[in-house]
Amino acid sequence: NAGVTQTPKFRVLKTGQSMTLLCAQDMNHEYMYWYRQDPGMGLRLIHYSVGEGTTAKGEVPDGYNVSRLKKQNFLLGLESAAPSQTSVYFCASNPFRDSLGNIQYFGAGTRLSVL
Amino acid sequence: GESVGLHLPTLSVQEGDNSIINCAYSNSASDYFIWYKQESGKGPQFIIDIRSNMDKRQGQRVTVLLNKTVKHLTLQIAATQPGDSAVYFCAEIPGNTPLVFGKGTRLSVIA
Repeated sequence: NAGVTQTPKFRVLKTGQSMTLLCAQDMNHEYMYWYRQDPGMGLRLIHYSVGEGTTAKGEVPDGYNVSRLKKQNFLLGLESAAPSQTSVYFCASNPFRDSLGNIQYFGAGTRLSVL
Repeated sequence: GESVGLHLPTLSVQEGDNSIINCAYSNSASDYFIWYKQESGKGPQFIIDIRSNMDKRQGQRVTVLLNKTVKHLTLQIAATQPGDSAVYFCAEIPGNTPLVFGKGTRLSVIA
């Protein structure tokens, strides 16, 4: 059981380039999330999804777009990368919203550098 | 907006001693709390959770205490081991919204 898988693990972009980060989960979870983590900081929520075909903004959504076309996949897009988007990106999922389902399972992260 | 915070950003503990990691939360509507452990280069990993109708919950070597009066969480790690070295985050659920994470406390175990 792979859990939550993020690809790629590392990426370097030039300012203005675009890219898509892929998150895949094989646990049939309803909820999926994208976070960014900056040095010395906690996790900040970018966007999340409560089910296939749905997305919602989190705390820091500007400069990012997401799509959840399939239940198992949650894509994070950067249309025009900026140096301020240099960060480690984490994807997470959980089954549903009750006390057990709120435990989020995280991927290993994608380290993105924008030059 | 309301947020979760931590009292101590870094903590150094001798191997074998007990570790105490604190977390203050400000949203009185929060009814569920989770502690996560993040090792270097990895994603956060669930440690233990507690609901607002409980004061204490124990796991294997870990205990979480909840003081709703002062809006404070404590994570206790018994007999701290080198493998416990990591950053520990508390997170709260303030009602019908996603988890809100604190900034984290780095635990360093001295052998």
